Amino acid sequence: QSALTQPASVSGSPGQSITISCTGTSSDIGAYNYVSWYQHHPGKAPKLMIRSVSIRPSGVSDRFSGSKSSNTASLTISGLQAEDEADYYCSSYTSNSTVLFGGGTKLTVL
Amino acid sequence: QVQLQESGPGLVKPSETLSLTCSVSGGSISSDNWSWIRQPPGKGLEWIGYLYYTGNTNFNPSLKSRVTISVATSKNQFSLQLTSVTAADTAVYYCTRDIVPTIWGQGTLVTVSS
Repeated sequence: QSALTQPASVSGSPGQSITISCTGTSSDIGAYNYVSWYQHHPGKAPKLMIRSVSIRPSGVSDRFSGSKSSNTASLTISGLQAEDEADYYCSSYTSNSTVLFGGGTKLTVL
Repeated sequence: QVQLQESGPGLVKPSETLSLTCSVSGGSISSDNWSWIRQPPGKGLEWIGYLYYTGNTNFNPSLKSRVTISVATSKNQFSLQLTSVTAADTAVYYCTRDIVPTIWGQGTLVTVSS
């Protein structure tokens, strides 16, 4: 199974908004609303930021939002802050009852 | 609040079996689904497999022939075994809750080297 496709890197200035895309197929992202997004600071455990395409777990800032169109999911971070600088990963359940991750996107806050 | 903690050897010899345990606190292991994820140095996250609450399992096709995930209900723990390891299995291994992970352990680095 091939990984979901994410841009290797994105950047933005404090206060700006950025969007990270995650492209899959009709057998994963396009088939289910089981897309999640994780924030990963090196050396720490990944943190769930978005589940089920657009649901924010309790305690996650409302600056983080998720959406999906066809086979592509997106994570938008508004009002960028220095603490948002991290690696971000998407994941999706698949029609083979497996789980796929994206290759990860490094977010740099300029 | 459910918390997870991985434990096991940090160094495994090539061709041997990697064995890790995940201890679950703050919740019952019998009522949820559990997964293992890994991250090789400098690379992205890789799904290893999950243990469904019914006891069924499913694995990454690339690892399926070498992986076992089992549960010790009385200890509120679940385990990962990966046989015939090579240097390519060197990674930080995470235990997580749910099929599409929600709660993660802190992770444990396992190095495969002689």
